[in-house]
Amino acid sequence: ELKVEQNPLFLSMQEGKNYTIYCNYSTTSDRLYWYRQDPGKSLESLFVLLSNGAVKQEGRLMASLDTKARLSTLHITAAVHDLSATYFCAVPGGNTPLVFGKGTRLSVIA
Amino acid sequence: GAVVSQHPSWVICKSGTSVKIECRSLDFQATTMFWYRQFPKQSLMLMATSNEGSKATYEQGVEKDKFLINHASLTLSTLTVTSAHPEDSSFYICSAPTYDYYEQYFGPGTRLTVT
Repeated sequence: ELKVEQNPLFLSMQEGKNYTIYCNYSTTSDRLYWYRQDPGKSLESLFVLLSNGAVKQEGRLMASLDTKARLSTLHITAAVHDLSATYFCAVPGGNTPLVFGKGTRLSVIA
Repeated sequence: GAVVSQHPSWVICKSGTSVKIECRSLDFQATTMFWYRQFPKQSLMLMATSNEGSKATYEQGVEKDKFLINHASLTLSTLTVTSAHPEDSSFYICSAPTYDYYEQYFGPGTRLTVT
């Protein structure tokens, strides 16, 4: 059974600081997704990582994938308040479309 | 990108009544759609896979007689919560994948409150 673990689950950051969210998964996959969810809203796609060594950047967020280590990271650079949200990673399962991590609730404070 | 809509965006119903939620793919055809449920401050949990022209596939622990899924066309799937109870109150999100499952497009969600 595929398990997807994120850490930390809660993160309070000061504006301007850097931090990394980690996503580990238990079985082989060549694909990983990162989503953002604002309170009361649905998911917004951030990154689709398709291969080992994939790195994608959008603004202050950068995601990478190491399929051998079964690890993805979401790096936040110089955090701003607008990045406050819950971030989910997700991996395709065998018979299920996506298995989600528990999410990382990020709060950026002044 | 592709758009998936849901209707209604929120609904309040009384215990014992039934509620239907619609999920539509607006600019592409989706032979498969997925229904997720999200409780407050929790992650998304897959409830069922909706297949156009055939029966839905339910995840373990999801009552198929309670959560009726109909995939009537290539652009519409419906989830009916029958005999709703307060514990069914949740955020229901549908998604539709591209033909190669490269990407999933999520609907805006439906917040169900059962009183």
